[in-house]
Amino acid sequence: GDSVTQMEGPVTLSEEAFLTINCTYTATGYPSLFWYVQYPGEGLQLLLKATKADDKGSNKGFEATYRKETTSFHLEKGSVQVSDSAVYFCALSDQGDYKLSFGAGTTVTVRA
Amino acid sequence: DAGITQSPRHKVTETGTPVTLRCHQTENHRYMYWYRQDPGHGLRLIHYSYGVKDTDKGEVSDGYSVSRSKTEDFLLTLESATSSQTSVYFCAIQQGAGVNYGYTFGSGTRLTVV
Repeated sequence: GDSVTQMEGPVTLSEEAFLTINCTYTATGYPSLFWYVQYPGEGLQLLLKATKADDKGSNKGFEATYRKETTSFHLEKGSVQVSDSAVYFCALSDQGDYKLSFGAGTTVTVRA
Repeated sequence: DAGITQSPRHKVTETGTPVTLRCHQTENHRYMYWYRQDPGHGLRLIHYSYGVKDTDKGEVSDGYSVSRSKTEDFLLTLESATSSQTSVYFCAIQQGAGVNYGYTFGSGTRLTVV
């Protein structure tokens, strides 16, 4: 079946540091890939997505590239802010199946 | 943005009692989902619906039932609550047909079973 594996957290960074969160997946078809973010006390929000190989999704300074050869979709941001403190979830939706499969989530804390 | 509200936001209930959580959307999106969120597990799908009276089970459906008698409402019922069902429950809608559409999530219901 489909699955998503994220790097374990928690991750603690200083402001303006570089952030990478690794995500790899297994899928039977050709999935679409997503990153969601959950701020404290809130629901999940779609951060970015990519729907085919070599696509780069980007939003709010975050980027992730769909790498089919390595089945990866790593999230990066060049200079984090305190306001980026949140839980980040990698997810996939496989062809013919609208359901999303989520990774376990990575908690990121950015210190001033 | 699609309007999606969950109620209640918080609930404490006793073991063995039935509990119903409500998800309401203000637009006529066809696909709706119930997930639970637990530390170390991410989000796990409980049940989903692809239209009125059309529902199906997710990966952790035991002990839960759902109903969708109107497009806008998707109800999750814990038939006899247990402590293992203490969790945060999220409802989500999908704003288009196809794998390229992400979800919009509600704010969640924090359920404690004592």
